[in-house]
Order: sequence, then structure tokens, then C-alpha cells
Amino acid sequence: KAGVTQTPRYLIKTRGQQVTLSCSPISGHRSVSWYQQTPGQGLQFLFEYFSETQRNKGNFPGRFSGRQFSNSRSEMNVSTLELGDSALYLCASSNDLNRGSTGELFFGEGSRLTVL
Amino acid sequence: AQSVAQPEDQVKVAEGNPLTVKCTYSVSGNPYLFWYVQYPNRGLQFLLKYITGDNLVKGSYGFEAEFNKSQTSFHLKKPSALVSDSALYFCAVRRSYGNNRLAFGKGNQVVVIP
Repeated sequence: KAGVTQTPRYLIKTRGQQVTLSCSPISGHRSVSWYQQTPGQGLQFLFEYFSETQRNKGNFPGRFSGRQFSNSRSEMNVSTLELGDSALYLCASSNDLNRGSTGELFFGEGSRLTVL
Repeated sequence: AQSVAQPEDQVKVAEGNPLTVKCTYSVSGNPYLFWYVQYPNRGLQFLLKYITGDNLVKGSYGFEAEFNKSQTSFHLKKPSALVSDSALYFCAVRRSYGNNRLAFGKGNQVVVIP
């Protein structure tokens, strides 16, 4: 079974631009979560989608948004980029029922965003 | 809200010696607990989990963890460390119901000295 696939792996943007990151979950997984990883703040939860609906949202400004498609693929978007948005963005999928699961999250390799 | 504390920044151990990485947690209700490992420029790799049952959980690559409800701890252990175990280790917790939102600790850098 293929793992979680994230694209692009690396990207460089300038302040004020926007960026879209893509995540393809493991086949059959309907839950997709996004996390931001920085040296200073560690791993922080952005949001989780299940069956195209946002099920939970972390404490990030509205510039961070996401969506999930009918095939469970997910995208996240960051608008008006700031220097502090430089981070590794990790996507994770889970084999989930509609009220959570006992399963672990399977993570992709991440998209490393650098904002100049 | 759930939270995890990993009190040490770095854990150094000689190859062949036992390795312990500490984790304490806070969550309402029964916890679901996880350990992940991260190698440089890679994503997180699942090691093991505690959901219910036996307090001693065995996972990948010879790692195990012990759940202690009274001390709200979930320490990761390996009887004999390898140089290849050098990596960043994260403990995580979530509630047993609702969504899959994980709260992670800050991570522990494990250095195994040859």
C-alpha cells in the first residue's frame, strides 16, 4: 500500500505570496490532518478533515485554510505569507470511523516551506 | 485540552545501554498514547501505541513503553540502544473519542554514542 504522499517536498516563497500544499492519504483513509512543525513551537495541529468536512481546527489565523475532496485528497492553503510561516508542514491520514478511531496517524514526508 | 510533557531536551546513551525517553500527559477521560520517531528531513514514523489493556506495549525496532495511569506517564524504553536509534522522538496523546487531534510533546533528541 502506498503511504501518505505530499507535494511539493520543498518550496520557496516570498512574503505576501500564497501557497497551496497537497496531500494524498493512504488508500481507504478518510481522515486527513495537517500539522505545522517549527523549531520554536514544535508540532502544532492545524486542522483535520473527515469525509470532506472540517472536524477540528487548531489555533491558527484565518490565512491558513484547507479542504478535502471526495477522493479524500486534501489541500491546505496559506495566504499572505509571513516569515514566521516557514516550517515543515506535515499531513497525516488515519483509518477512521466517523467518531474517531484507535488507530495511529500515518504521516507523509512533509512539505518544507521557506518564506523569504 | 490535552497536553504532553517531555522534560528532557536531549538523551545521551552509549550503544548497548538501556534507553529511556520520558513522557507525561494530561487529557480528559481515557488517553490514547503514541510514540513517533523522526529522522532528519523526514516525516514522523509510528513506533507504538497504548489504547487499552496491558500496560506494557511493544512496538517496532525493539521499542516498548509502559503506561502508568497513576503517574500519567508513558515512558519509551529500549533494552539495548543502537547508533541508528539516534533521532528525534515524540510522545503524543489524544482523547479516546471524537476526532484524531494529537497533542505532541516538544520532542527528545536521542543521541546514541558508539
